[in-house]
Amino acid sequence: NAGVMQNPRHLVRRRGQEARLRCSPMKGHSHVYWYRQLPEEGLKFMVYLQKENIIDESGMPKERFSAEFPKEGPSILRIQQVVRGDSAAYFCASSDRENYGYTFGSGTRLTVV
Amino acid sequence: DQQVKQNSPSLSVQEGRISILNCDYTNSMFDYFLWYKKYPAEGPTFLISISSIKDKNEDGRFTVFLNKSAKHLSLHIVPSQPGDSAVYFCAASAREAGNMLTFGGGTRLMVKP
Repeated sequence: NAGVMQNPRHLVRRRGQEARLRCSPMKGHSHVYWYRQLPEEGLKFMVYLQKENIIDESGMPKERFSAEFPKEGPSILRIQQVVRGDSAAYFCASSDRENYGYTFGSGTRLTVV
Repeated sequence: DQQVKQNSPSLSVQEGRISILNCDYTNSMFDYFLWYKKYPAEGPTFLISISSIKDKNEDGRFTVFLNKSAKHLSLHIVPSQPGDSAVYFCAASAREAGNMLTFGGGTRLMVKP
C-alpha cells in the first residue's frame, strides 16, 4: 500500500512562471489537505479537498493559488505567476475521515529564482 | 496570531535520558492534539495523539500529557535514542474546523550518544 505520493520532489521556477504540484493520496483515502512550510516555520494549512469539491480553502492566498481534486487523477496545487516568497516546502496529506491521523507525503520543495 | 506555540526551538538530550517537548495553545475550541516527527527532506510522520477528554496517552517510549486548564501539552520520550533526533511538531484541531490542523513552529531534538 503506497503512501501519499507527491511529485515532483523538487521544482525550480523563474519568477512569473506557473508551478504545478501533484499529490496522489493513499489508496482508499478521499480527503486531501495541502500545507505549506516556509523556512524555519511550522506547517500552515492551505486547503482541504474531497473528490471534486473544495471543502475549506481558508488558508489559501486569495490570488494566484488554486487547488483541485478531480474525480480521476491526483490532486493539483497550482501557483500562477510565482514570486520569490512562494519558495517553500508544500506538503500534501490524506486521511480517512474517521480519524485524525493524517498521512503526509514527502513534500515538494519549490524554489523560485 | 499563533494559536499553537512551541517556545523551545531546540533541545539537546543525552541518550538514555528523558526528552520533554512542550506545546502551548490559546484556542479553547481545540479538542484533539497530535505530535508529529519530521526528518529533513521528508514529510511529517504521525507519532501520538490525545483527545481533550483524556489527560494522558502512552505508546511505548512516547507519552503525551494534556493540561487543559493550562492549555499545555507535552511529549515525553523515555529513554531517548539517537534515532529520535528530528524536528517535533505539535498540532491541534477543533471538531468544528473539520480535519484542519494548526501546527506549532516545531522543536528540533538532538539526542547525543
